[in-house]
Amino acid sequence: IAGITQAPTSQILAAGRRMTLRCTQDMRHNAMYWYRQDLGLGLRLIHYSNTAGTTGKGEVPDGYSVSRANTDDFPLTLASAVPSQTSVYFCASSDSPGGGGTDTQYFGPGTRLTVL
Amino acid sequence: GQNIDQPTEMTATEGAIVQINCTYQTSGFNGLFWYQQHAGEAPTFLSYNVLDGLEEKGRFSSFLSRSKGYSYLLLKELQMKDSASYLCAVGDSNYQLIWGAGTKLIIKP
Repeated sequence: IAGITQAPTSQILAAGRRMTLRCTQDMRHNAMYWYRQDLGLGLRLIHYSNTAGTTGKGEVPDGYSVSRANTDDFPLTLASAVPSQTSVYFCASSDSPGGGGTDTQYFGPGTRLTVL
Repeated sequence: GQNIDQPTEMTATEGAIVQINCTYQTSGFNGLFWYQQHAGEAPTFLSYNVLDGLEEKGRFSSFLSRSKGYSYLLLKELQMKDSASYLCAVGDSNYQLIWGAGTKLIIKP
């Protein structure tokens, strides 16, 4: 069982280009999340999905979009990348959304993105 | 606003005990999580507290006081592999996790 996979592992991107970060989980978790992690800051939620077919905005959604066509996949798209989107991006999933011990989030290995 | 505070960095000696504190102010409370994150890797789940008191799991223990908005992670018998960042996260009223910036723990021989 792989858990959560992300692709690519790292990417250097020219400003203005479109980029999709991929995330796939095989745990049949209902909820999925995208975070960015920047030095000196906590993980910040970009978008989330409580179940297939639904998505919601997190703390820092501007410049990003997501879709959740099925349970396993949750791609994150940067429509027109800017240097401030340089960060490490983590995808996570949990059995169910919300608080509680059953909602422990499990993380993918991350994508290191540099926008020049 | 919502806020999670942790020390930025701590240093401890191999074999010793270290306590990492976390204070929080959030809109609502739906549990507190501790995660470990080694450099260049993903966060991994360590512990979860929703009721006041101490939860023990091997060398790691986590304590919660909801009235004080306070938690700590206690690591015993420190090993070199415990060198990592430790992240505190709180579930808020919207059931989203609010994350602290993490505490970098340096273990010296």
